[in-house]
Parts: sequence; C-alpha cells; structure tokens
Amino acid sequence: EVQLVETGGGLVRPGSSLKLSCATSGFTFSNTWMNWVRQAPGKGLEWVALIKDKYSNYEANYAESVKGRFTISRDDSKSRVYLQMNTLRDQDTATYYCTLNYPGITFAYWGQGTLVTVSS
Amino acid sequence: DVLMTQTPVSLPVSLGGQVSISCRSSQSLVHSDGNTYLHWYLQKPGQSPQLLIYRVSNRFSGVPDRFSGSGSGTDFTLKISRVEPEDLGVYYCLQSTHFPDTFGAGTKLELK
Repeated sequence: EVQLVETGGGLVRPGSSLKLSCATSGFTFSNTWMNWVRQAPGKGLEWVALIKDKYSNYEANYAESVKGRFTISRDDSKSRVYLQMNTLRDQDTATYYCTLNYPGITFAYWGQGTLVTVSS
Repeated sequence: DVLMTQTPVSLPVSLGGQVSISCRSSQSLVHSDGNTYLHWYLQKPGQSPQLLIYRVSNRFSGVPDRFSGSGSGTDFTLKISRVEPEDLGVYYCLQSTHFPDTFGAGTKLELK
C-alpha cells in the first residue's frame, strides 16, 4: 500500500523559513518522480515543485510563485522528499501535499497534507 | 500557463442521477509524444484529493466504472452515473502536457 506522510508544518512569521518532510512507503521511491502541491484555505490546487529521479539527474522544477525561495530535495536512502521554504509570505499559507507521479500518470497518490500558516 | 476552465462551478445532483463536468483548456493538450495528459481528481470533504481518471479516459486503480472520461484537444468531460453519497465533493481537472501543470478551479458536486 502506498503511503505518503507529510510533517513539518506550523505557524511561522513572514520572512522566516520552514522545512517540510514527506515519508513514503509502498512503492519504489528511488525511480519515482515526487511533487509538492498546495492548497490555500478554501481555494483550489496549485502545483509547487517536482523532483525527478536519479535517471533524470534529480532535475527539479518550480512554480514561478516559489522559484528562488523554495527548494525540493530527496533522500533515496530514506525514501523521503523535502521542501525547504525560505522567505515565506502570507500567500504561502496553505496545506502542502506530497504527491507522486507514475509514468504518464500525474499525482497518482497524495499524502494527508501538512498546514503551513504564515502570519505576523 | 495553460488555463483550465471548469464548468459548472457547482453541480446539484440527486442520488442515483447522472452528471457531467466540463473542462476546457486554453491550448491543445496533445503532447508531442501523442498522449493527452488530462486527468481528473476528486477531493472529498476534509480529505486529500484522489486520482480518478488519467490521460483522459483511464480509470485509476479501484475507481468504479460509474466514472468515465472523454474528450480530445481542448475539450474534456467527466461523466458520473448512478451518483452515490461518496461521490460528493470537489472535482478538479489537471493538465500535465505543458509546463507547469495547471488545475481547473474545481466543480463542487452536492446534493439537491
């Protein structure tokens, strides 16, 4: 059974940093592309970042709204993916979901999400 | 970015009924590899989104055959027949043909 468990959310001040973690199991993590998708309270879904596998040189892509502030990374030995979020803004307030891609299938599985609240 | 327009925003339904949700893209979703990367998700109240349909018309593992997807190019439809209580929630379409992946704004399926 595929499992994705996000941790690391919380209440932070604007301008601060936070690192999210996603622990995974139930699939071959090392050759799976992983994403973060977020959802602001009461709003729709927004893709945030993607990290490809070692066969794609761990290429990372970002939404324009977070480029230069967020960094996605992975540890294949721990089957974990991370999202380092710097210079947080009010508009980054959202539930952040860890998701995975299968070939030709985007966001096949989702975690339960972790809430990040940026407020002074 | 590719704009995904879903209609309607809200969709009242009676249990056992049939409904359709439309999703239109601002440009063709046919990829250079010949595939069309248009997917459908359901977010039930208080839950994470879950994949229903991938690449226009393929039901994901465990998805009942009451759900069907169709369409091509820029115009796509999700049809739900014999609606059950567990089908209620917000439906989203997603395109992953063009970077970045973009979602529709959602269609809320609710009881009449």
